[in-house]
Amino acid sequence: TQLLEQSPQFLSIQEGENLTVYCNSSSVFSSLQWYRQEPGEGPVLLVTVVTGGEVKKLKRLTFQFGDARKDSSLHITAAQTGDTGLYLCAGINNAGNMLTFGGGTRLMVKP
Amino acid sequence: GEEVAQTPKHLVRGEGQKAKLYCAPIKGHSYVFWYQQVLKNEFKFLISFQNENVFDETGMPKERFSAKCLPNSPCSLEIQATKLEDSAVYFCASSQWGEVGVTEAFFGQGTRLTVV
Repeated sequence: TQLLEQSPQFLSIQEGENLTVYCNSSSVFSSLQWYRQEPGEGPVLLVTVVTGGEVKKLKRLTFQFGDARKDSSLHITAAQTGDTGLYLCAGINNAGNMLTFGGGTRLMVKP
Repeated sequence: GEEVAQTPKHLVRGEGQKAKLYCAPIKGHSYVFWYQQVLKNEFKFLISFQNENVFDETGMPKERFSAKCLPNSPCSLEIQATKLEDSAVYFCASSQWGEVGVTEAFFGQGTRLTVV
């Protein structure tokens, strides 16, 4: 079983602050996805990173895939209250047919 | 359909009763995944299907849980003799197969099961 450890589990910050969420594993993944879940909804895909060392930017969100394809990070610059939610990383195995989720990071951005 | 449809949205069962959850994946998606979300955070994998075939069921407590994805029918997840610890939100997701594997997982809104 491939495990993904996410940290921190909970994060409460003020609007305007920066934050980083980490997703770590001892296993190699073919690709890694980040999802965001809002209350009462299912997770929605934010980004997929495929190549080791890849960096993708989505407005104020920066996603990085580790060189060895075992870890990833999500950095949010100048957080806004609308960023509040549950952030989940998910690794796709080398066969491409299994999606394993990390434990999630619950982010609260206060005004 | 263009979205994953899960029914019912809420389900309440007495301990020991049966619960059956349904999921209609997006048309054309060949992979279906079931996850259990407890305490509003962790997504625990239960089972996946490739079309109507069980692909991976390593997360299923097999003595009480079963699932099917039959042609021309919604997929289903059934829990026989529910226990209090089965209370959770159950999510279904479907995905296409891309160049190197499953692509984006599209999730339904979940079924909240409460066992009392």
